[in-house]
Amino acid sequence: GENVEQHPSTLSVQEGDSAVIKCTYSDSASNYFPWYKQELGKRPQLIIDIRSNVGEKKDQRIAVTLNKTAKHFSLHITETQPEDSAVYFCAAVGGGADGLTFGKGTHLIIQP
Amino acid sequence: NAGVTQTPKFRVLKTGQSMTLLCAQDMNHEYMYWYRQDPGMGLRLIHYSVGEGTTAKGEVPDGYNVSRLKKQNFLLGLESAAPSQTSVYFCASSPTWTESGYTFGSGTRLTVV
Repeated sequence: GENVEQHPSTLSVQEGDSAVIKCTYSDSASNYFPWYKQELGKRPQLIIDIRSNVGEKKDQRIAVTLNKTAKHFSLHITETQPEDSAVYFCAAVGGGADGLTFGKGTHLIIQP
Repeated sequence: NAGVTQTPKFRVLKTGQSMTLLCAQDMNHEYMYWYRQDPGMGLRLIHYSVGEGTTAKGEVPDGYNVSRLKKQNFLLGLESAAPSQTSVYFCASSPTWTESGYTFGSGTRLTVV
């Protein structure tokens, strides 16, 4: 099955700086890569996603890049704000019908 | 349109007790999933279903059973709860397994003492 590795586990940045979270996946048949934001006590919320036929996607301050050859994808958050503090999860949908495989998460801390 | 509804939201069980978690979706999705979330471990798949009457094992199925008798409902059962099953459980549904449309429930926090 699919295996997703996510780094770093904790990321602390100054407000206004950029944050980058990286993930790798193992299944070359994976074709859909979403990113979720989870605030304390809440359900995961989709913030951006990318399909395997696209190399980059941007939505305001958030962007995702995908390198299919290297099997890695990254989340970029620019001009970070206090409300960006949360746990972020990457995920991949592999070649089987078992849906999303998640990374272990990154706790993003925005320092004032 | 409620999306995905999980009941109960909180539960405390004693070791050895049994319980059933209910997941209901009103989006006519074919696929439904049960995940558990533990600190530092992300969300791990317990069981999933690709349609009414079908179930399959995920990454961490031991100690759990599931049923999908109706398309809109996916039940997760613990026959004999253990402290290791203390976790937050999330249900999700999707129209297909290949693309977007995954919708999560609000979670069930289960403590086994």
